[in-house]
Amino acid sequence: EVQLLESGGGLVQPGGSLRLSCAASGFTFSSYAMSWVRQAPGKGLEWVSTFSGGGGRTYYADSVKGRFTISRDNSKNTLYLQMNSLRAEDTATYYCTKDHGQPEAFDIWGQGTLVTVSS
Amino acid sequence: DIQMTQSPSSLSASVGDRVTITCRASQSISSYLNWYQQRPGKAPNLLIYAASSLQSGVPSRFSGSGSGTDFTLTITSLQPEDFATYYCQQVYSTPITFGQGTRLEIK
Repeated sequence: EVQLLESGGGLVQPGGSLRLSCAASGFTFSSYAMSWVRQAPGKGLEWVSTFSGGGGRTYYADSVKGRFTISRDNSKNTLYLQMNSLRAEDTATYYCTKDHGQPEAFDIWGQGTLVTVSS
Repeated sequence: DIQMTQSPSSLSASVGDRVTITCRASQSISSYLNWYQQRPGKAPNLLIYAASSLQSGVPSRFSGSGSGTDFTLTITSLQPEDFATYYCQQVYSTPITFGQGTRLEIK
């Protein structure tokens, strides 16, 4: 079964850091682009970042560029999101997603992990 | 950035109804348009990719159409489990952007 399992969320003070992990199983992890999408409480979906499957390219939303870093360890089938200089507006449920391939779409989603930035 | 605008923002319908949700892009995105369903407290689920291709396992009452800037998601014969929020998404260029969502409620 194809599965994504996020971890690492929690309560953090403004200016703090947190690292999210996403453990993948049931597919050839290294072959697919992977992304993070977030959803603030009661709000819509916001794309955060993508790590390409083969070329190692990374992409970021302007709202997190310079503060968040996406990475992956293909030997561990795990995707990461290092989040620094956190702000209250980063409070959201963060979803890990698998790319469908070509054409691009997010065909598998994790259950999400909640990040709360508050003093 | 490409802005995605969905209409309506909310919609009331009955079981068995046919409903249509529209999504408009601020510039042409060819067919790089996906649709997702999100039930309360759950992760989104891919319904339609590339504007009109039905994702594996998704019931055939869901269909998508359009290209360029105007797209539609149609659900024929609404079922109780279809009452949820629907999002369109463009993947034509980064930043990837979503519509604001359409909440489908039971009348």
